[in-house]
Amino acid sequence: AQTVTQSQPEMSVQEAETVTLSCTYDTSENNYYLFWYKQPPSRQMILVIRQEAYKQQNATENRFSVNFQKAAKSFSLKISDSQLGDTAMYFCAFMKHKKVVGSQGNLIFGKGTKLSVKP
Amino acid sequence: DVKVTQSSRYLVKRTGEKVFLECVQDMDHENMFWYRQDPGLGLRLIYFSYDVKMKEKGDIPEGYSVSREKKERFSLILESASTNQTSMYLCASMGSGIRVEQFFGPGTRLTVL
Repeated sequence: AQTVTQSQPEMSVQEAETVTLSCTYDTSENNYYLFWYKQPPSRQMILVIRQEAYKQQNATENRFSVNFQKAAKSFSLKISDSQLGDTAMYFCAFMKHKKVVGSQGNLIFGKGTKLSVKP
Repeated sequence: DVKVTQSSRYLVKRTGEKVFLECVQDMDHENMFWYRQDPGLGLRLIYFSYDVKMKEKGDIPEGYSVSREKKERFSLILESASTNQTSMYLCASMGSGIRVEQFFGPGTRLTVL
């Protein structure tokens, strides 16, 4: 069974600084996806960034980038130039690559990291 | 943009009541999911459905059932609500194409008294 571990329950960062959130996972699969989702206070969960395991290049989305280390099963999220709107719960999640009907797209989540951006 | 809606943001029910949580998506997605979110536990999958009338158990299906009679609608049913089912419930949907991403609804915070 796959597991996802986020070892930092809470973190804080000053506005405009850079912060890195950690995530490790355990799987015997070779093809899979990794995600970081953001859940702002009282607001909807949204996708921040996605990484396909077969791609060696780290994914980036504006101020958000990942450090994907497949052999180490590590998937950290770096937020550059932190903004007050980045304050949220961040969840790391794993999904097996789709193979057959009936095993489509189940996400396995870590327990989350609560990030506070301070002015 | 994909829109996933849930019938209620807040719900208060009594122990033993039958509770229906409704989820609707507007993007013709084949796959729909129900998660439960609890502090310190993250999100845990209750049930999912990959087609109309098809359903599969997730990690914590006990005490829950689901219904998917139409493609756009996925219902979570608590047959006899208990206090340990007080939680945030999140619905999500995902297509079967190349865009691998689950889209989430706003959540229903259920309190069982």
